[in-house]
Amino acid sequence: DAGVIQSPRHEVTEMGQEVTLRCKPISGHNSLFWYRQTMMRGLELLIYFNNNVPIDDSGMPEDRFSAKMPNASFSTLKIQPSEPRDSAVYFCASTSMGAARGYTFGSGTRLTVV
Amino acid sequence: AQSVTQLDSQVPVFEEAPVELRCNYSSSVSVYLFWYVQYPNQGLQLLLKYLSGSTLVKGINGFEAEFNKSQTSFHLRKPSVHISDTAEYFCAVSALNRDDKIIFGKGTRLHILP
Repeated sequence: DAGVIQSPRHEVTEMGQEVTLRCKPISGHNSLFWYRQTMMRGLELLIYFNNNVPIDDSGMPEDRFSAKMPNASFSTLKIQPSEPRDSAVYFCASTSMGAARGYTFGSGTRLTVV
Repeated sequence: AQSVTQLDSQVPVFEEAPVELRCNYSSSVSVYLFWYVQYPNQGLQLLLKYLSGSTLVKGINGFEAEFNKSQTSFHLRKPSVHISDTAEYFCAVSALNRDDKIIFGKGTRLHILP
């Protein structure tokens, strides 16, 4: 089991550019979550999917953020255009059979927008 | 909606001394409770969880937590800490049988002093 795989590990981009973060959940997990971690706000849930369908995107900060899950083994989080305040660590997590199992987190993508 | 309050942002403790990290939660429904640990530059790992049954829950690395429904608390304890326990610890809550969302507290940074 390779765990939840996120890419890239680090991303530095200029303001206004499009950024795409990628996540491969654990095989067999049917729920996938995107979190953002900052010093000021801690861990914020952005969006989560169940069986590839977005269930709750109320945490997505604004229209510049979008997420997709085209199949059970891949999800993307896109920011277009990026802004310096988007700088954060973005985590993907997955689970099966609901929250009771807890989540397995990826190692995160550290995004810096300059 | 559920929420989690971690009362201490940082806790310094001497090596081999006991430690308690405090967590209180708020919810109008029954909940699952979790503690996660985040080592530097890594994702979060599940330390322990309370689903039901015995209020004293034992986790990995010698940690345990006690669920207290009347005080809506889920404090984390370890009788003797080691340098390797230096990390950030997150308390989290999820509504029982509602959805898969886990809401995290802001974290407590544990500093082990030699």
